[in-house]
Amino acid sequence: GQQVMQIPQYQHVQEGEDFTTYCNSSTTLSNIQWYKQRPGGHPVFLIQLVKSGEVKKQKRLTFQFGEAKKNSSLHITATQTTDVGTYFCAGYNNNDMRFGAGTRLTVKP
Amino acid sequence: GAVVSQHPSRVICKSGTSVKIECRSLDFQATTMFWYRQFPKQSLMLMATSNEGSKATYEQGVEKDKFLINHASLTLSTLTVTSAHPEDSSFYICSAQTGSVPEAFFGQGTRLTVV
Repeated sequence: GQQVMQIPQYQHVQEGEDFTTYCNSSTTLSNIQWYKQRPGGHPVFLIQLVKSGEVKKQKRLTFQFGEAKKNSSLHITATQTTDVGTYFCAGYNNNDMRFGAGTRLTVKP
Repeated sequence: GAVVSQHPSRVICKSGTSVKIECRSLDFQATTMFWYRQFPKQSLMLMATSNEGSKATYEQGVEKDKFLINHASLTLSTLTVTSAHPEDSSFYICSAQTGSVPEAFFGQGTRLTVV
């Protein structure tokens, strides 16, 4: 079945440094979604990428979908303490949605 | 955005008892609902997928007789943890999808503690 791998598992950065998390699917995806889960909270939808090679930006966050629609990345520029949490990718294909393991980001002020 | 309400948010139960968790889509019809379990500081683990009016599809390794899922209507799905044991203590989250939008809307989660 479909598998979604996400790395790294943990990332600790100094405030102001950049951060990137990567997702790779074993199968071609219809779309990929990104979620953020704050400590103690539930996952909240950030964005969806559908097109091959698509790049979307939300302020300091940049999301990319690979040309083969099998991988994706989330990049945060100049992290802030408000960015802490776990970022999950979720690959969607044929009514099957699979989450990556998540990358837990901590930011040192 | 769409709202999914999950209840209760926290529950403590005695070993051997059963606990029911409700997941409601408040302003949309959820054709599909997902139930996840999340261990501390770990990823979401899909337990089962349920479509309204049909039996849930359980992931490998998830006991369907222990985790009973009922998706009786387009706005309500329930997860019942039967004969709970301390190892069932976890954070359970539901999510719901409509047929037209693949985005998943999550409930707030239920922290289950079995003592």
